[in-house]
Amino acid sequence: NAGVMQNPRHLVRRRGQEARLRCSPMKGHSHVYWYRQLPEEGLKFMVYLQKENIIDESGMPKERFSAEFPKEGPSILRIQQVVRGDSAAYFCASSPYLAGALSTDTQYFGPGTRLTVL
Amino acid sequence: LAKTTQPISMDSYEGQEVNITCSHNNIATNDYITWYQQFPSQGPRFIIQGYKTKVTNEVASLFIPADRKSSTLSLPRVSLSDTAVYYCLVGGAGSYQLTFGKGTKLSVIP
Repeated sequence: NAGVMQNPRHLVRRRGQEARLRCSPMKGHSHVYWYRQLPEEGLKFMVYLQKENIIDESGMPKERFSAEFPKEGPSILRIQQVVRGDSAAYFCASSPYLAGALSTDTQYFGPGTRLTVL
Repeated sequence: LAKTTQPISMDSYEGQEVNITCSHNNIATNDYITWYQQFPSQGPRFIIQGYKTKVTNEVASLFIPADRKSSTLSLPRVSLSDTAVYYCLVGGAGSYQLTFGKGTKLSVIP
């Protein structure tokens, strides 16, 4: 059973361009979470999605950032008009049910996408 | 959310037991304590979780005193491959927003 897959692993964009990060959850998982990790920092929650629904986007900047998890295909984190401050590692996690319903141990993380904005 | 405090870094020689302590003075009654491991250029990986007393699995042990204001992750006989950042998280039911601090950077020395 393949783990959570993210691509690309590395992405370089110039200021003002768009960045699209893709996440394929583990087979059978219908809950996806996106986190951002700045250098020398811990991961910060951005958004939680289920198939075709955004459940909680409280950690995502209100401008330029959007996320989706369509009925078919991977989840997409989209950053428009990137700025240097968007340079970070973006991690996707998935779970088969609502992680945290009983405990907090059931989020499985992908390898991340490292975004560099020039 | 309960705040956690853990050492920024630790060094250990191969074969030694490593204990990393995390303080969480404001832990709530329904909070669990979870530890994750993160290697460079990889996502975090779940290690162990507990509520009270002691939990052991094939990777580590977790010791939680009666007052639950701290917890200690114990890694027996570490090897070079255990070099990683270890995060202590505290959260209860429904807390899908995992809150990672800066973690403890463990360096295992040959």
